[in-house]
Amino acid sequence: NAGVTQTPKFRILKIGQSMTLQCTQDMNHNYMYWYRQDPGMGLKLIYYSVGAGITDKGEVPNGYNVSRSTTEDFPLRLELAAPSQTSVYFCASSGIRALDYEQYFGPGTRLTVT
Amino acid sequence: GDSVTQMEGPVTLSEEAFLTINCTYTATGYPSLFWYVQYPGEGLQLLLKATKADDKGSNKGFEATYRKETTSFHLEKGSVQVSDSAVYFCALRGAGANSKLTFGKGITLSVRP
Repeated sequence: NAGVTQTPKFRILKIGQSMTLQCTQDMNHNYMYWYRQDPGMGLKLIYYSVGAGITDKGEVPNGYNVSRSTTEDFPLRLELAAPSQTSVYFCASSGIRALDYEQYFGPGTRLTVT
Repeated sequence: GDSVTQMEGPVTLSEEAFLTINCTYTATGYPSLFWYVQYPGEGLQLLLKATKADDKGSNKGFEATYRKETTSFHLEKGSVQVSDSAVYFCALRGAGANSKLTFGKGITLSVRP
């Protein structure tokens, strides 16, 4: 049981390049999330999904896109990378039970855009 | 909207010292409250939680009590260890079915031997 896995761990992009951050969970969780973590700013929600085929914007969605074709996978796409997207990105998942509030986080992807 | 305010950091303590990290919140209704911990190089993991007023969450020697009257959820530990060095995030989840987590800014704790 690997939990939530993310790839890559580190990436450097040039301005204007594109990339996809991968996220997979093996806990059969319906809910999945993407956050970015900037120094001293806590975590900001980018996008989330309540199940396969359903996604919605979070607090800071501009410059990103997501898809959810399966329960397990929730990739985050950056188009036309900008320096403001330099951050650490975390994927998380949680179950569907009403009291199952815990979110399980992946180890993160550190992205630098130069 | 919902918000979480944590005390300013960083915090540096000697081993076996008493720890308090303050957290207050603003939310409508009755949110659930959480403390997450992030060890160096890792993702966040749930430390403890409380889902209703006066509940006390506890784990690994850490405790926090959900105080509705003061809208607070302060984290305490009686005797910290070097291994407790990490970033601590207070968070809340609103009462709605699809409510998301709202995080505080986090505070870095360093414990020296």
